Amino acid sequence: DQQVKQNSPSLSVQEGRISILNCDYTNSMFDYFLWYKKYPAEGPTFLISISSIKDKNEDGRFTVFLNKSAKHLSLHIVPSQPGDSAVYFCAAHLNAGNMLTFGGGTRLMVKP
Amino acid sequence: KAGVTQTPRYLIKTRGQQVTLSCSPISGHRSVSWYQQTPGQGLQFLFEYFSETQRNKGNFPGRFSGRQFSNSRSEMNVSTLELGDSALYLCASSLWDRGLHEQFFGPGTRLTVL
Repeated sequence: DQQVKQNSPSLSVQEGRISILNCDYTNSMFDYFLWYKKYPAEGPTFLISISSIKDKNEDGRFTVFLNKSAKHLSLHIVPSQPGDSAVYFCAAHLNAGNMLTFGGGTRLMVKP
Repeated sequence: KAGVTQTPRYLIKTRGQQVTLSCSPISGHRSVSWYQQTPGQGLQFLFEYFSETQRNKGNFPGRFSGRQFSNSRSEMNVSTLELGDSALYLCASSLWDRGLHEQFFGPGTRLTVL
């Protein structure tokens, strides 16, 4: 069963606008959530994370929101830039064994 | 500070052979995890090592194994290669023991099994 899901395989936004990427999870034991950006044939690059005890974390243009009751998190990128075009993965962390469970990814395309 | 390094970057093997991949974590990181990325299954957890001990293993057959050395460097081995083992193998390191959960990934090793 997929414990972490990203239901939108792709998203297209105009440069300067907001990009919102969504992620749902099922396991309430996850203690940390992370977002990664990935280009083909490269390793994921860490973007931002949030503890399960918080509901928001900001870092520059990136903000992650966590809704524990809905088991839902989202990544907001404002303003979006063409260089943000990549595949974005959300990941959920289990402290036992330091394991990440990844969603299937969302391909973001930012058009100039 | 240098990032996670993985060698080799590319590898071509034939069915039935075995392969060893290497990972050097970020200096000071004692936790090393391995992941497999394929188009069909996405990014999947293989195993995690901390202080030379495997603490967790994903749902992969016993042909997949690994180890960690005293300097935190890690290797993973795949024996009796199958076509389905063709994938990008990623290594990640973290400061888990200091309560920091962010995992930092290397560039990966692209394994092609013919």
